[in-house]
Amino acid sequence: AQSVTQPDARVTVSEGASLQLRCKYSYFGTPYLFWYVQYPRQGLQLLLKYYPGDPVVQGVNGFEAEFSKSNSSFHLRKASVHWSDWAVYFCAVRTGFASALTFGSGTKVIPCLP
Amino acid sequence: EAAVTQSPRNKVAVTGGKVTLSCNQTNNHNNMYWYRQDTGHGLRLIHYSYGAGSTEKGDIPDGYKASRPSQENFSLILELATPSQTSVYFCASGETWGVYAEQFFGPGTRLTVL
Repeated sequence: AQSVTQPDARVTVSEGASLQLRCKYSYFGTPYLFWYVQYPRQGLQLLLKYYPGDPVVQGVNGFEAEFSKSNSSFHLRKASVHWSDWAVYFCAVRTGFASALTFGSGTKVIPCLP
Repeated sequence: EAAVTQSPRNKVAVTGGKVTLSCNQTNNHNNMYWYRQDTGHGLRLIHYSYGAGSTEKGDIPDGYKASRPSQENFSLILELATPSQTSVYFCASGETWGVYAEQFFGPGTRLTVL
């Protein structure tokens, strides 16, 4: 069965620093992958999506992700974090049932205070 | 802009009571989904639907029923609510394949069962 693992429950980062969030997937066949962001007390918003093609995909607000079939990974990156990026990020893979999603457990991005 | 709305936004129920969560979408999508979100689990699929009159079991359907009376509306029903069903519930809509396969989420319903 398909699954998604986000190994980091929390990531601490300073404003202006770079960010990488890890995602590993298990899926038989070619996966369709997504990153969503959730702000406090809100629903999920799509950051970016991967369909078979270019392994690097660009999303909103400067986010990008890189697909690796050999590593079964779909890591999210941002070159310079803004305070508005403090949120929870979910990686997901599309299943074969009405294109429902299987989600990872999420990674919370929190500020590194001086 | 297309939207997914949920009602109520917050609900307190008693153990053994009946709870109905409602979802409406203006995306004209065929597929609709109910997920629950719990700390450490991300979002998990409860029920989904291919269209009006259709309901299918997801990964964690026990204790839940669903109803899809129209293209726009999808309800989640807890006939006998239990404290273990305390959670945040998200509804989503989407299409099945191709570039339209992303899902659009509602703002969530916070359910507390006492």
